[in-house]
Amino acid sequence: GAGVSQSPSNKVTEKGKDVELRCDPISGHTALYWYRQSLGQGLEFLIYFQGNSAPDKSGLPSDRFSAERTGGSVSTLTIQRTQQEDSAVYLCASSLVRVLTEAFFGQGTRLTVV
Amino acid sequence: DQQVKQNSPSLSVQEGRISILNCDYTNSMFDYFLWYKKYPAEGPTFLISISSIKDKNEDGRFTVFLNKSAKHLSLHIVPSQPGDSAVYFCAAVERGSQGNLIFGKGTKLSVKP
Repeated sequence: GAGVSQSPSNKVTEKGKDVELRCDPISGHTALYWYRQSLGQGLEFLIYFQGNSAPDKSGLPSDRFSAERTGGSVSTLTIQRTQQEDSAVYLCASSLVRVLTEAFFGQGTRLTVV
Repeated sequence: DQQVKQNSPSLSVQEGRISILNCDYTNSMFDYFLWYKKYPAEGPTFLISISSIKDKNEDGRFTVFLNKSAKHLSLHIVPSQPGDSAVYFCAAVERGSQGNLIFGKGTKLSVKP
């Protein structure tokens, strides 16, 4: 596609359930980032993938969060046993190079845990 | 402990006037700074950036100023237009890091016709 695509655009889930959020980056982009924006907060870094290197997971808030990137393209962010504080907009971005000078963000997935 | 601070959650400006959005940072290892603009229900879009070796970068109506000694940067928009109304995020990258962007909380700009 022409841009970064995220699905679903909205997700409502019950507390304790697992959710998977998907990101399709721009074709050819080697760097992929996940961020989240909670209400009234800035963009919080979660995880970063660059090529075949080990991902930087330093931003993941707990071991309930994990992400993978298959074949250097599509990425899935998984949240296990969701909690209400996980409610946020989850944003994915991709870029050609490591530094986000020309990063492109998707529209985000709005996750609501009830 | 916030490393990038945007202390004004909102700003209202008249069309045609200058908008000045401010950002302060605490980490002296930051060496690259970016501004992103975000409309509701859309992802952020890159606007303008500046390297720490410069103190000014200009792109059309947008100019970013960097004061390293004060650990302060600002985004100037002149003249402001109603279409500029959005949330503006300041972000920084640490020298030698993986390239992770550290974002501020954003400033909501409203440009009134």
